[in-house]
Amino acid sequence: DTAVSQTPKYLVTQMGNDKSIKCEQNLGHDTMYWYKQDSKKFLKIMFSYNNKELIINETVPNRFSPKSPDKAHLNLHINSLELGDSAVYFCASSPVRDYGTDTQYFGPGTRLTVL
Amino acid sequence: TQLLEQSPQFLSIQEGENLTVYCNSSSVFSSLQWYRQEPGEGPVLLVTVVTGGEVKKLKRLTFQFGDARKDSSLHITAAQPGDTGLYLCAGFYQAGTALIFGKGTTLSVSS
Repeated sequence: DTAVSQTPKYLVTQMGNDKSIKCEQNLGHDTMYWYKQDSKKFLKIMFSYNNKELIINETVPNRFSPKSPDKAHLNLHINSLELGDSAVYFCASSPVRDYGTDTQYFGPGTRLTVL
Repeated sequence: TQLLEQSPQFLSIQEGENLTVYCNSSSVFSSLQWYRQEPGEGPVLLVTVVTGGEVKKLKRLTFQFGDARKDSSLHITAAQPGDTGLYLCAGFYQAGTALIFGKGTTLSVSS
């Protein structure tokens, strides 16, 4: 009965590699997000998609490319990984495009370690 | 610039004690939310406060939204070890913008 799922849970890779993180939600929500949580636990939005359309891109390097094949999936592809990309990446979804009170439903996170 | 400032950053208390966590901003927010995150998991919403001066209670947790909608507090009565976790406040600064998070308060309750 997982609402928002992410794979993989852990990802360890070398600098310069390309990697992808997958996210799926079975809540029927229209909006999905990618967040990055750094080593100090600060959580910051990266991207937001509404019904497969990009609506927020918070000045993320273009090495990061989200892709939404349908409204239940939002994958994150990262090219040329750098040490500073090491973090926990969270996928989330929300039911409506009402940014006044929208509840974010978070996945379990993917811990990315770049060596 | 950090729009939402949380304090304290760390809090370590004994079971049965009371505590308050603060979330402050110089900006007005349309609403503020509180999330709780346990190790290895994603944040989970506890409450959303929308109206200035609003008080919401969730069992031993009391949430308050400031009259001017610039601050919020979370008060826990008789803390239990199960309350241990990272508490995050978050808010929508403007309609159509993304949810902004504070830096969090890490709470540890020992028995």
